[in-house]
Amino acid sequence: SAVISQKPSRDICQRGTSLTIQCQVDSQVTMMFWYRQQPGQSLTLIATANQGSEATYESGFVIDKFPISRPNLTFSTLTVSNMSPEDSSIYLCSVEEGAGIVDDTQYFGPGTRLTVL
Amino acid sequence: QKEVEQDPGPLSVPEGAIVSLNCTYSNSAFQYFMWYRQYSRKGPELLMYTYSSGNKEDGRFTAQVDKSSKYISLFIRDSQPSDSATYLCAGSMDSSYKLIFGSGTRLLVRP
Repeated sequence: SAVISQKPSRDICQRGTSLTIQCQVDSQVTMMFWYRQQPGQSLTLIATANQGSEATYESGFVIDKFPISRPNLTFSTLTVSNMSPEDSSIYLCSVEEGAGIVDDTQYFGPGTRLTVL
Repeated sequence: QKEVEQDPGPLSVPEGAIVSLNCTYSNSAFQYFMWYRQYSRKGPELLMYTYSSGNKEDGRFTAQVDKSSKYISLFIRDSQPSDSATYLCAGSMDSSYKLIFGSGTRLLVRP
């Protein structure tokens, strides 16, 4: 499976600031995803990032708050803008790998633990 | 009602026990089902995935899907302390790549 790295691994930020999280994959992948995992909650998909097109956001998530870039097939960034304490969470990127529809599965990066004061 | 429900645990078992982890889901359109293992402060690691109903075995792990009752199970045989982690189940629809996760069950295997 692909090796996925994220930077930073953790950060503590002040209210009102923004943080950009990077996701790097060691192979070219078509689909990358950004998830949020709040304490005691399930992973929730924020958006799907496809290279060469605008990210697709899930209900409850907007581009102004979570702008995403996908400049090539191995890299993506998620920015958490104008942060509030409610944005404190683990942010994870994932990639989809597989030869066909039955084999397609998602693999996750190690996550970025964000605390907003 | 959440689309995928999991008992949060913690589930504590002695080493060597057979562990049964379960999820229920509400979306009858789900075709793919996954189990992920997440160690503390790590990203989720794919353990098993199944397509539609049936069983799938991989070493000490068996995944079982019963679509008629919308019930997903993961069995761990000969459990080890290294199996102590949070186990997340997830489902997705045929033509969608969106995974819907349960909130996870925390498992503790005591030496």
